[in-house]
Amino acid sequence: DTGVSQDPRHKITKRGQNVTFRCDPISEHNRLYWYRQTLGQGPEFLTYFQNEAQLEKSRLLSDRFSAERPKGSFSTLEIQRTEQGDSAMYLCASQDGRRELAGPRSYNEQFFGPGTRLTVL
Amino acid sequence: QKEVEQNSGPLSVPEGAIASLNCTYSDRGSQSFFWYRQYSGKSPELIMSIYSNGDKEDGRFTAQLNKASQYVSLLIRDSQPSDSATYLCAVNPYYTGGFKTIFGAGTRLFVKA
Repeated sequence: DTGVSQDPRHKITKRGQNVTFRCDPISEHNRLYWYRQTLGQGPEFLTYFQNEAQLEKSRLLSDRFSAERPKGSFSTLEIQRTEQGDSAMYLCASQDGRRELAGPRSYNEQFFGPGTRLTVL
Repeated sequence: QKEVEQNSGPLSVPEGAIASLNCTYSDRGSQSFFWYRQYSGKSPELIMSIYSNGDKEDGRFTAQLNKASQYVSLLIRDSQPSDSATYLCAVNPYYTGGFKTIFGAGTRLFVKA
């Protein structure tokens, strides 16, 4: 178990450019979450996948944002036409939804990757 | 009213003291509660989860849950300078189906040597 990994760790881009981030969850985990965190705030939910299905998207996720998890393993988050307000830490979290099969549905621990810090100039 | 509220701090305690961090939440049907530690510039790290009323202890950490009061707390005994970080309270509200986690803004803790 190597934990959750994210790539790149840092990204500096100019306004208007497109960026793509990748997240590799813990291998046996079937749920994957994306969050955005700005200074002084807690992580804000963006979207989540169960296997390859994207089950929920936040209103924060404008049409410039798209996320995929094509094979139910790694996920990508793309931001098109970046704006300075997109500057933030983008966090991916992994969850083993199968724990619900063995116990109460309330066991929903999420484990975070190191994050991708995006700076839009 | 925010869904998860925490005092932003900073909370400053001397080394060896007990640090007490508090959190309230708005969704009465919430079932899962978590505390994460986040060092500056790093991602959140899960340190405690609690699902039932009462106390749960893990080493120097004790989480306390009171669903009737919609209140969660984290006690850190024998605080160390290495405990200095932001502590995030997180809740899975019932209305989300229990799958979405809502985070508070965090409480900054400083442990003075």
